[in-house]
Amino acid sequence: EPEVTQTPSHQVTQMGQEVILRCVPISNHLYFYWYRQILGQKVEFLVSFYNNEISEKSEIFDDQFSVERPDGSNFTLKIRSTKLEDSAMYFCASSELGPEGNSPLHFGNGTRLTVT
Amino acid sequence: AQSVTQLDSQVPVFEEAPVELRCNYSSSVSVYLFWYVQYPNQGLQLLLKYLSGSTLVKGINGFEAEFNKSQTSFHLRKPSVHISDTAEYFCAVSDSRDDKIIFGKGTRLHILP
Repeated sequence: EPEVTQTPSHQVTQMGQEVILRCVPISNHLYFYWYRQILGQKVEFLVSFYNNEISEKSEIFDDQFSVERPDGSNFTLKIRSTKLEDSAMYFCASSELGPEGNSPLHFGNGTRLTVT
Repeated sequence: AQSVTQLDSQVPVFEEAPVELRCNYSSSVSVYLFWYVQYPNQGLQLLLKYLSGSTLVKGINGFEAEFNKSQTSFHLRKPSVHISDTAEYFCAVSDSRDDKIIFGKGTRLHILP
C-alpha cells in the first residue's frame, strides 16, 4: 500500500538555524498538510496546501514557516530561524480528495525536530 | 470553529476487557469525525471515520464508534482489548467549510496484563 514518507526521522539543530523537513506524499493525492505534536500535547494543524498554494494555515504558522512543493513529488516545510519551542514531532499528511471525501488523511511517521 | 474534547488523558484496562474512549465535539455545521491511532514511535493511522449514513462505524482491529448527534459524541469502543492495542488514540473532526482536521488531545490506552 502506498504511504507518505518523511525524512529525516530525527533532526537536531541549533537555535536560529534553518531546517527543512521533507515529505513525499502519496503520488495521486492532491491535498497536503503539515501537523506538529509537541511532546505530551495534542496534534496541531499547521498548514494545508492544494493546487500549489496554501489553502489554510493556523496561528502557529507564522512568517518563520513556509511550505513548498518544488517538484511533482516532494512537499517541504521550512523553518527559517528555529526556536526552542519549535521542538516537536512534525507530521506530513496527504489526502486524495480532502477529509470530507472518501479519502481521509494519510500520515507519515513524522520527523522529530530537536532544537538546542 | 470546530473543536474536539477527549476527557480522558489515560485509560488503563485489563487485557480482554472492553474499553470505551470518549470523544465530544463542537461544530456549527455538518461534521466528519475520525479516530486515529498512534502506536509507539509511529505516525498516525486512521482507525475509522464517519462521513454520513449509519451512525455505527466499524474500523480496523475490531474497533467501532457511534456518532451521536444529540450528545455531540463519537465514542470509540472495543469489546475485548489486546496488549497490541497499547497506543495513543486521537479523535478528530472536520467540517464542510474547510479541508483541515482538528485533533483532540489524545487518550493513551494502557493495557494491563
